[in-house]
Amino acid sequence: EVQLVESGGGLVQPGGSLRLSCAASGFTFSSYSMNWVRQAPGKGLEWVSYISSSSSTIYYADSVKGRFTISRDNAKNSLYLQMNSLRDEDTAVYYCARENYDNAFDIWGQGTMVTVSS
Amino acid sequence: DIQLTQSPSFLSASVGDRVTITCRASQGISSYLAWYQQKPGKAPKLLIYAASTLQSGVPSRFSGSGSGTEFTLTISSLQPEDFATYYCQQLNSYPRDTFGQGTRLEIK
Repeated sequence: EVQLVESGGGLVQPGGSLRLSCAASGFTFSSYSMNWVRQAPGKGLEWVSYISSSSSTIYYADSVKGRFTISRDNAKNSLYLQMNSLRDEDTAVYYCARENYDNAFDIWGQGTMVTVSS
Repeated sequence: DIQLTQSPSFLSASVGDRVTITCRASQGISSYLAWYQQKPGKAPKLLIYAASTLQSGVPSRFSGSGSGTEFTLTISSLQPEDFATYYCQQLNSYPRDTFGQGTRLEIK
C-alpha cells in the first residue's frame, strides 16, 4: 500500500524548534518530488515547501523562508521539515504530500499537529 | 505570484443535484490545475489534475474543464459522500503556494 506517515508534531513555545518526519512506503520514494503543506485550524491549505527527488531543487513559501528547512533521505525513504524560530501563526496540521509526474499532489499523509503557544 | 479565486465560497445543494465550482487564476496557467476534496479531520484527496484528468479511483461523476484563467469542477449528481470542502491548486510554477480559498459544499 502506498503510504505516507508523518510524525514529530507537538506543542512548542514561540521561538522554539521542531523537526517533522514523513515516512514513505509502497512506492519508489527516490523517484518523486515531495512537498509539505499545512492547514491552520479552520483555515485553508497553505503550501510550505518543495524538494525534488534528488534534493537538487528546493523551494519555500515566503512565510517560512529562512526559518524552515526541508530535506530528505532516500536511503531511509524519509522526508523531513526542520522548523526553527516558530511563531504562533505556524500552528497548523502539517501534511507531507507526494508530487506526481503532472505536478499534482496525489498521495498525502494523515497529518501531524504543530501547536506553537506559550 | 499567481492568485486563485474560487466561487462560490459556500454552496448548499441536495443529493442528486449537479453542481459547478469555478476557479479563476490571476494569470494564465494553461492546464496546470488540480482539484482536491477534503473532509473534516482528513487529508485532502486528489480528484482532478491537468485541469481535466480524473485521478485513478475517483468516480466519473466528477469532471474538470477549462484552461488559461478559468476552470470548473463539476459533480454531475451529488452523492452523500461528496459533501466536503473543495480546493483548486495551480501547478504551473513555484512557489507552488497557491491553493484557492476553498468551497464548502453542504447538504441543503
